[in-house]
Amino acid sequence: GAVVSQHPSRVICKSGTSVKIECRSLDFQATTMFWYRQFPKKSLMLMATSNEGSKATYEQGVEKDKFLINHASLTLSTLTVTSAHPEDSSFYICSARDSRTGYEKLFFGSGTQLSVL
Amino acid sequence: DAKTTQPPSMDCAEGRAANLPCNHSTISGNEYVYWYRQIHSQGPQYIIHGLKNNETNEMASLIITEDRKSSTLILPHATLRDTAVYYCIVRVFSEAQKLVFGQGTRLTINP
Repeated sequence: GAVVSQHPSRVICKSGTSVKIECRSLDFQATTMFWYRQFPKKSLMLMATSNEGSKATYEQGVEKDKFLINHASLTLSTLTVTSAHPEDSSFYICSARDSRTGYEKLFFGSGTQLSVL
Repeated sequence: DAKTTQPPSMDCAEGRAANLPCNHSTISGNEYVYWYRQIHSQGPQYIIHGLKNNETNEMASLIITEDRKSSTLILPHATLRDTAVYYCIVRVFSEAQKLVFGQGTRLTINP
């Protein structure tokens, strides 16, 4: 099946620094990617929809200046957590749809565990 | 997306069939039923989806009631590796439609 690669898998940073998370579709093109965050023992919460060549669409309550999303190519979307603080510590997951299979399946990356000290 | 209701947790013995229920009483005619699962500290994994007919693939079977207000995911011979959180989601079949997760069912397979 389609593969979505997410990097890094784990990152620890100091408060105030920015962290970039990459999401790549390895064997297919993805015009749309989705970014989720997940707190321990909680469900996934959709943060934003990343659209290739255009601005991302953010869910209500998600700060677009805090979570910068760039989808510059059909195989890469990035999420930058700017000026990270301890409350931003979370599990971040990206997903992409393989248009070859139509609109059926969403494939997910393996996630990035962000810890802000 | 229509809301779904799932039991928060279930247990099943290894080797037995695991039957995970999902209620989606407000599902619309053009909404599909999807099942994903998430093993601890990993991204969710697609399992199966269907509209109104029962579906089966190499991972599981999906049984949808005739009125489509509920469904059951069946793992025919559960293994320890099937321990995960299982999410039942209903959504329209379109490119832009996002996937919104509920709380899911935490399935524990016991040896």
